[in-house]
Amino acid sequence: GAGVSQSPRYKVTKRGQDVALRCDPISGHVSLYWYRQALGQGPEFLTYFNYEAQQDKSGLPNDRFSAERPEGSISTLTIQRTEQRDSAMYRCASSLAMGGLKDTQYFGPGTRLTVL
Amino acid sequence: AQKITQTQPGMFVQEKEAVTLDCTYDTSDPSYGLFWYKQPSSGEMIFLIYQGSYDQQNATEGRYSLNFQKARKSANLVISASQLGDSAMYFCAMREGEGDDKIIFGKGTRLHILP
Repeated sequence: GAGVSQSPRYKVTKRGQDVALRCDPISGHVSLYWYRQALGQGPEFLTYFNYEAQQDKSGLPNDRFSAERPEGSISTLTIQRTEQRDSAMYRCASSLAMGGLKDTQYFGPGTRLTVL
Repeated sequence: AQKITQTQPGMFVQEKEAVTLDCTYDTSDPSYGLFWYKQPSSGEMIFLIYQGSYDQQNATEGRYSLNFQKARKSANLVISASQLGDSAMYFCAMREGEGDDKIIFGKGTRLHILP
């Protein structure tokens, strides 16, 4: 079946603008995760959902970042008043079950955000 | 302290040789899971292999195997008979405890396979 999809794939915006990044998880996957990946680094956890409930948002850098998953499927990560330091690859992942050590996360292609 | 340490920023290996990518981890939780992901130049993140802390045997998936040394907190990835298509960034990652869903990633190792 289809994998995790993300849109847009590339986003260039001016400093101070708001951006919304979308993630469409694998059908039937309960859990959805957002990560940020700087160039040459591993992904860094931002937040995750089980169904529509946001379980952990400890990785969100500040209150300009927010995420929602209102119907337990598609999720949106919103960054308000973007800053140049927000430039990164934003990755979404989904997994089949809630928790469990072996629950594998499958990643989308990412959205490359550039803030000018 | 870093939770996941990958000490090899880059490696060059001749095609068809076996390669070992190092990973050490730090956790006080007796229950944890270890993952390896591959990131080719296309940018996708591809799941390769999983090892649970209570698993008795080393995990294997095709040409990939995980050399799990629990006492040393080491989870090295071994790729047998390397191929040109194995050239990529490789990330070691860990999930701690049954109730924590987030995965912590290392900084990665860039592997170059030479023809």
